[in-house]
Amino acid sequence: RKEVEQDPGPFNVPEGATVAFNCTYSNSASQSFFWYRQDCRKEPKLLMSVYSSGNEDGRFTAQLNRASQYISLLIRDSKLSDSATYLCVVADSGGYQKVTFGTGTKLQVIP
Amino acid sequence: DTGVSQDPRHKITKRGQNVTFRCDPISEHNRLYWYRQTLGQGPEFLTYFQNEAQLEKSRLLSDRFSAERPKGSFSTLEIQRTEQGDSAMYLCASRPESGNTIYFGEGSWLTVV
Repeated sequence: RKEVEQDPGPFNVPEGATVAFNCTYSNSASQSFFWYRQDCRKEPKLLMSVYSSGNEDGRFTAQLNRASQYISLLIRDSKLSDSATYLCVVADSGGYQKVTFGTGTKLQVIP
Repeated sequence: DTGVSQDPRHKITKRGQNVTFRCDPISEHNRLYWYRQTLGQGPEFLTYFQNEAQLEKSRLLSDRFSAERPKGSFSTLEIQRTEQGDSAMYLCASRPESGNTIYFGEGSWLTVV
């Protein structure tokens, strides 16, 4: 089993749609959680951290369920510019804080 | 620009040659990571430095790969006797001691022909 697993893509959605991505992680000791966005042939960039209570940033909402070891990202009112690959990222606890990426879910927003 | 800097950005090399990539992390970030990414995959962890100490190496990092961070600032990743399977984007990232966010460089693309 992979340490971080994401929904297989691609997701093709019309502009204005709401889309949700899911991610599960295997290490129950994981401490920090993030969503990164990666455009084609570019480096990953932080989209948002994920907090236990859930958090929202504009059209983006992230949620964490520690009991189920599950993270989600919801994008409302999709824009063409949201087309990218979304990477789920998990960091372990401890001094080293190993950081593991999921394989990513590709989103294509269609006009 | 005070972000993570990688050099070279693109490298085409013949199979069997050695290549070296350099990473300059954000100033005062004591944690430095190397990842490898192939098309359609997420970044795969290669190695981690805390200051000058290499604290973790992935099994992906065969004996042909070596990484250093001699003074705890910039880092180098060397690949000896390159193989076609080494073709990928090599990403460097840095992270401050007290923060969680990881900042990536733009990556170094390697093509082995």
